[in-house]
Amino acid sequence: KNEVEQSPQNLTAQEGEFITINCSYSVGISALHWLQQHPGGGIVSLFMLSSGKKKHGRLIATINIQEKHSSLHITASHPRDSAVYICAVTGGSNYKLTFGKGTLLTVNP
Amino acid sequence: GAVVSQHPSWVICKSGTSVKIECRSLDFQATTMFWYRQFPKQSLMLMATSNEGSKATYEQGVEKDKFLINHASLTLSTLTVTSAHPEDSSFYICSARVQGTYEQYFGPGTRLTVT
Repeated sequence: KNEVEQSPQNLTAQEGEFITINCSYSVGISALHWLQQHPGGGIVSLFMLSSGKKKHGRLIATINIQEKHSSLHITASHPRDSAVYICAVTGGSNYKLTFGKGTLLTVNP
Repeated sequence: GAVVSQHPSWVICKSGTSVKIECRSLDFQATTMFWYRQFPKQSLMLMATSNEGSKATYEQGVEKDKFLINHASLTLSTLTVTSAHPEDSSFYICSARVQGTYEQYFGPGTRLTVT
């Protein structure tokens, strides 16, 4: 069973700061997902990665397969980025996701 | 990006009644859909895996006679909560896997309150 660890659990930043959230997993995977959930809201898929780096607007996700580690970066953070960010991995033929516990990000104006 | 819809977005029902929740992939075909429930401030808990044209696979501890899942087409899966009780009140979320890939997209969730 894959173990997914996220850090930090909680993160408070000032508007404009550069944010990094980390995710490590224990077993080889086929894909890693970064998800976002605003308080009381649904889940939004931000990225799916199997190698390298992806960028969308102010969000950047990287993955190092050898080190079993991924990072989610937010540049020029904004209060609307305040949400829970969840790392999830999949590797089996059943395509099930194993979730990290999430990182609660609060960006203050 | 791909879009998954859920209907209804919220529902209030009386104890003992049944509620059906729909999950649709709007612009792609989804061989596999997943149903989750989420309690406040907790992680998603997988309830079952729904495969088009076959019986759903339920996770341990999930009552299949209580949570009926039907995946009749490549774009629609339904979850029916039968004889709902207040402890079934929760946020139910589906995800759909794009056929032939590892990509998964999540629906916006359905908030169920049983009174």
